[in-house]
Amino acid sequence: EDQVTQSPEALRLQEGESSSLNCSYTVSGLRGLFWYRQDPGKGPEFLFTLYSAGEEKEKERLKATLTKKESFLHITAPKPEDSATYLCAVQGGANSKLTFGKGITLSVRP
Amino acid sequence: KAGVTQTPRYLIKTRGQQVTLSCSPISGHRSVSWYQQTPGQGLQFLFEYFSETQRNKGNFPGRFSGRQFSNSRSEMNVSTLELGDSALYLCASSSRGWTEAFFGQGTRLTVV
Repeated sequence: EDQVTQSPEALRLQEGESSSLNCSYTVSGLRGLFWYRQDPGKGPEFLFTLYSAGEEKEKERLKATLTKKESFLHITAPKPEDSATYLCAVQGGANSKLTFGKGITLSVRP
Repeated sequence: KAGVTQTPRYLIKTRGQQVTLSCSPISGHRSVSWYQQTPGQGLQFLFEYFSETQRNKGNFPGRFSGRQFSNSRSEMNVSTLELGDSALYLCASSSRGWTEAFFGQGTRLTVV
């Protein structure tokens, strides 16, 4: 069974203080690892899909990386508007369903 | 282009009733999946449809069902509602291959 563990559960940063969010996974035949951002009361917003170890993708202050066992979402010089819950999900084997972690709640103080 | 549209946004139902939720995927997307999100369990997969066929189903009781129409719009139905069915129900759509999956804003269901 596919499993995703995200850590830490919550993270509080000062504006401008860079950090990384961790997503550890076990999956049989990784097809893709997905990162989403979710604001309270809204649906998840798609950020990235990574497919193979060594792959990296960037979007504004966010950079996602992937190894065979985990993925990191690096946040460079975060701003208060980056405050949200960040979700990681994997898709494995012949299955197209996404298995999600519980999410990391990020708070960025001005 | 328009995103994934879910209706209604909010619902309050009484225990024992049934409910139908609707999802219109992004134009051109033929795959639709449904997820239940609760504070305790996070996002859990309900089922997936492609070209009107259910391709995959999660570990939910038979009270949860769905369907997809020829225009790719999808509905999910929950019968005999229980208090524990209170959750945010999310629909996601993707083109074939699920290289990107886009979610709607969800339907917040409250069972009283």
